[in-house]
Amino acid sequence: GAVVSQHPSRVICKSGTSVKIECRSLDFQATTMFWYRQFPKQSLMLMATSNEGSKATYEQGVEKDKFLINHASLTLSTLTVTSAHPEDSSFYICSARAPQGTGGRVFGPGTRLTVL
Amino acid sequence: SQQGEEDPQALSIQEGENATMNCSYKTSINNLQWYRQNSGRGLVHLILIRSNEREKHSGRLRVTLDTSKKSSSLLITASRAADTASYFCATGKGAQKLVFGQGTRLTINP
Repeated sequence: GAVVSQHPSRVICKSGTSVKIECRSLDFQATTMFWYRQFPKQSLMLMATSNEGSKATYEQGVEKDKFLINHASLTLSTLTVTSAHPEDSSFYICSARAPQGTGGRVFGPGTRLTVL
Repeated sequence: SQQGEEDPQALSIQEGENATMNCSYKTSINNLQWYRQNSGRGLVHLILIRSNEREKHSGRLRVTLDTSKKSSSLLITASRAADTASYFCATGKGAQKLVFGQGTRLTINP
C-alpha cells in the first residue's frame, strides 16, 4: 500500500535554532500534502496545506514565517520550524491523499520535536 | 475550529468485549472517516463512510452514520489487546482538508 515517510522521527534542539522535517510519499505522487501538529493527548490540528509548485495555505493562527513549507516535488514536502522555542515542542505529522482515490489519507509516522 | 467531538474521551474494556465510540459533527459533510493512532505513531485509516451511506463494515469494524443527527459511531467487535489505541473521527467536504475530533482513548484489558 501507499506509504508516507517522515524524517527525522525525533529531534531535540536548542531554543532559537531551526529544524527541518521532511515528508515523502513513497511510490506515489502527492500534489497536496497536509501538515498537522499534535500536543500530548490531544487531537491533530491542521497547520497548513502544502501544494506542489505553489505556496502553502496556512490555517488561521499559524504563522507562515515561523513554519516554512516547501513542496518542491511531487514526492517531497518540507516543514521548517524557524527559531524554535519550547512551546513549539510537539508531534508533527504529515499526510497525503491515498493514491487509489478512496478518500482516505495516508499519514507519516510523525516527528517528535523537543525544543530545550 | 474542531469539527468532530467524540464520546467517550476514554474507554476501558475487557478483551473480547465490544467497544463503541461516537462522533458528532457540526456542519454538512461529504464523508466521515475513522482513524486509529497507536501511541507516538502516525494515523492509520480504518474506514470511510460517505454521506449517502448509513452503515459500513470492514472486518471487525462497523461504522454507522446518521446525517440527520450529525453523528457517527464506530463499533469494534470481539476486541483484542492490539486494538488498544486512540481512535479519531474526521470529517471532510470536497477533496480538501480533514478536520479531526478529539479522539477516544481505548484500552483493552487482557
